[in-house]
Parts: sequence; C-alpha cells; structure tokens
Amino acid sequence: DAGVTQSPTHLIKTRGQQVTLRCSPKSGHDTVSWYQQALGQGPQFIFQYYEEEERQRGNFPDRFSGHQFPNYSSELNVNALLLGDSALYLCASSLGTGREYFGPGTRLTVT
Amino acid sequence: AQSVAQPEDQVNVAEGNPLTVKCTYSVSGNPYLFWYVQYPNRGLQFLLKYITGDNLVKGSYGFEAEFNKSQTSFHLKKPSALVSDSALYFCAVRDMGGSQGNLIFGKGTKLSVKP
Repeated sequence: DAGVTQSPTHLIKTRGQQVTLRCSPKSGHDTVSWYQQALGQGPQFIFQYYEEEERQRGNFPDRFSGHQFPNYSSELNVNALLLGDSALYLCASSLGTGREYFGPGTRLTVT
Repeated sequence: AQSVAQPEDQVNVAEGNPLTVKCTYSVSGNPYLFWYVQYPNRGLQFLLKYITGDNLVKGSYGFEAEFNKSQTSFHLKKPSALVSDSALYFCAVRDMGGSQGNLIFGKGTKLSVKP
C-alpha cells in the first residue's frame, strides 16, 4: 500500500513564475492538507481539501490556490512566486477526522 | 488561538542516556496533541498522540510522552537514546476551530545523540 506521494521532489523557479505541486493521498483517504515548511521552522497550514472543495484555509495569500480531483489527489498552485516562497511543501492525507499521514515533500527554490 | 512552544532549539544527549524534548501548549478546550519526527530530506513521521485517557502515551520507536494538564506540557521522552534518534522533532496541536482541525506545529527541536 503506497503512502502519500508527492511530485516533483525538487524544483527551481524564478521570481514571478507560477508553480504546480502534486499530491496523491494514501489509499482510502479522502482529505488532503497542504503545509509550508520554511527553513528552520515548523510546518504551517496552507489549506485543506475535502470532497473537491477547500474546507479550511490558513493565513496565506490568494496567490496560493489548490484543487482536489475526484480520485482525491490534489494540486497546490502558487502564482507570482516570491523569494520567500522557497520552502518544503508537505502534503498530508487523512480519512475524515483521522490522523494525517505526510508525504516526503517537494522542495521549492525560488531564485 | 491554539499554539505550541518548543523552548529548546537543540537537545544533546549521549547514547544510552534518557532524553526529554519539551513542549508546552495553549488551547481552548481539550487538547489534541501530537509528536512528529523528521529526518533529513524526509517528510514527517507520526510518533504518538494524546486525545484522552492515560497521561502517559506510548508511541513508535520506544518513545513516550507525558501529558500534564496543570503545567500544560506534553514532553517527549525515551529511556535510552540511540544515535539513530538524531532528527528534528515537532510537537503539534490540532486546531479545533475548523471542522476538521488542522495541525499547528511548534518550531521544532533538533535532537543530537552522540555515541
């Protein structure tokens, strides 16, 4: 049984560009959450998707948007990239109110 | 608002000695508390959680945590540290303000276990 998978592993973008990160949840899970972990910090909640809708959102600007597909996989999109968006982006999946299982993350570097 | 604090940026322990990684929390209502570990270039791995019941929670890899309501603490412990325990440890609380409740993490404590 595959756990949470994320792609790509690493990517480098230039300021002002747009990026899309992808997440496949653990088999049987219906809820996907995204977190941003800046260097030396704990993960910060971006938003959560359930039944293809954004159910909760953290304190992130509208440049951060997402989507959940019928198969429960999810995308995180970031527009107009800033240097400060450089971070490890973590996806977590869960079934209902069960505990989250985290993926290995995508390391985004903005130059 | 819910929050957690990890007062130590780094904890150094000799292999075989007991270890403690500290965490304090601030919540309204009953706390849902978690410990996660992160190895270099890896995601977060769940260690244990406290929701209700016994104040001593046992988790993965020989770790345990003690919930203390009066001190609002949830310290992570292990009786005998291994070099392989060296990693970044995060305490988290579930924010029950939302319907699901996202996790709110501390800034992390780097544990270094020396042979």
